[in-house]
Amino acid sequence: TQLLEQSPQFLSIQEGENLTVYCNSSSVFSSLQWYRQEPGEGPVLLVTVVTGGEVKKLKRLTFQFGDARKDSSLHITAAQPGDTGLYLCAGGLSNDYKLSFGAGTTVTVRA
Amino acid sequence: ETGVTQTPRHLVMGMTNKKSLKCEQHLGHNAMYWYKQSAKKPLELMFVYNFKEQTENNSVPSRFSPECPNSSHLFLHLHTLQPEDSALYLCASSVTGGGYREQYFGPGTRLTVT
Repeated sequence: TQLLEQSPQFLSIQEGENLTVYCNSSSVFSSLQWYRQEPGEGPVLLVTVVTGGEVKKLKRLTFQFGDARKDSSLHITAAQPGDTGLYLCAGGLSNDYKLSFGAGTTVTVRA
Repeated sequence: ETGVTQTPRHLVMGMTNKKSLKCEQHLGHNAMYWYKQSAKKPLELMFVYNFKEQTENNSVPSRFSPECPNSSHLFLHLHTLQPEDSALYLCASSVTGGGYREQYFGPGTRLTVT
């Protein structure tokens, strides 16, 4: 079983629309990362959140860490075809330097 | 060169071949990881090294043999693979101290076993 559950698994939207991807767990994380991966490439780190309730913005992407540090969301405003990719969340537990990865959300933005 | 590099980017090998994947990190990290990513499956952690010492082997078949000569280099030696081993093999590195636990990935090696 996955420590981190991502939803939805797939998302296909039209250019200009908004989307939200969710990452949930029953575990408390000391940090949570979001990555984007394009086909045939490695995941690229987008952001790290560490404080409960924290909100970070990266241009049209908004990342939120839940108050209890068990969940996170990624919101994209006015999506563009360049946002297409596999979005992965990953959490770090306080007693382990490794990360636990979610299964990912495949986002397709149609022009 | 910066970041995490992997060679080769693509590899096609027969089931009786022996080949090696190479990973190098230029970030000053002390931990290195091998992951397997198959189509429509989550990332699978294979091996973890911390300061050259293997700290995790997630029940990986012995036909995969890792080697970490120093904190900057990681190899994955392959022999007598099966077609189901075809996948994207990703290397990553991180620090082990501090709270952020960010991993930085290489571009991967796309392996096809024929």
